[in-house]
Amino acid sequence: EIVMTQSPATLSVSPGERATLSCRASQSVSPNLAWYQQKPGQAPRLLIHGVSIRATGIPARFSGSGSGTEFTLTISSLQSEDFAVYYCQQYNNWPWAFGQGTKVEIK
Amino acid sequence: EVQLVQSGGGLVQPGESLRLSCVASGFTFSNSWMHWVRQAPGEGLLWVSRVSGDGTTTFYADSVKGRFTISRDNAKNTVFLQMNSLRAGDTAVYYCVNDPVGGTNHWGQGTLVTVSS
Repeated sequence: EIVMTQSPATLSVSPGERATLSCRASQSVSPNLAWYQQKPGQAPRLLIHGVSIRATGIPARFSGSGSGTEFTLTISSLQSEDFAVYYCQQYNNWPWAFGQGTKVEIK
Repeated sequence: EVQLVQSGGGLVQPGESLRLSCVASGFTFSNSWMHWVRQAPGEGLLWVSRVSGDGTTTFYADSVKGRFTISRDNAKNTVFLQMNSLRAGDTAVYYCVNDPVGGTNHWGQGTLVTVSS
């Protein structure tokens, strides 16, 4: 079973700044890595799949990178609507697994 | 427009059963794997189960294997999650999710299942 570990647990960022979120898999999951955004009371929203492919309708300020077991989600300039919890998820091997999440909060 | 409309949640006692339903529209349902994901209150996400387009292939998380059954009725564009022998640890919001269509996946509105005596 693949374990996904995200860091940091909480990231405090000012609007307009860059945010970098990390995700590590216990074994290689490339290229089957996705990122989700979740706001309180809402279902998760797919941001990135295939490590770096933005989902339909996702702004260009969101980008994904990495390979093997190390992955990064970058938000180039945080907007007010970006403060949320972010999850990475591998879909390379069953059981598919999410990381525990990174909360991006206003500094 | 893709829509996933869920029903069937509620409060049950430990050991009881519940069936969740999810009616899909806006895409070719029979061609799409369908999934159930859950989130316990204040917790992270767990991919519970998935079923192939023709219903013949299924996968389950270890924590629900042998108790939950995923199925689908392609004539009614509906996917089900039959949950038996429910435990307090199954308390969560359950989401149905489709495979990506048009470059993204779609999530139902979520339905709360509460297992408590």
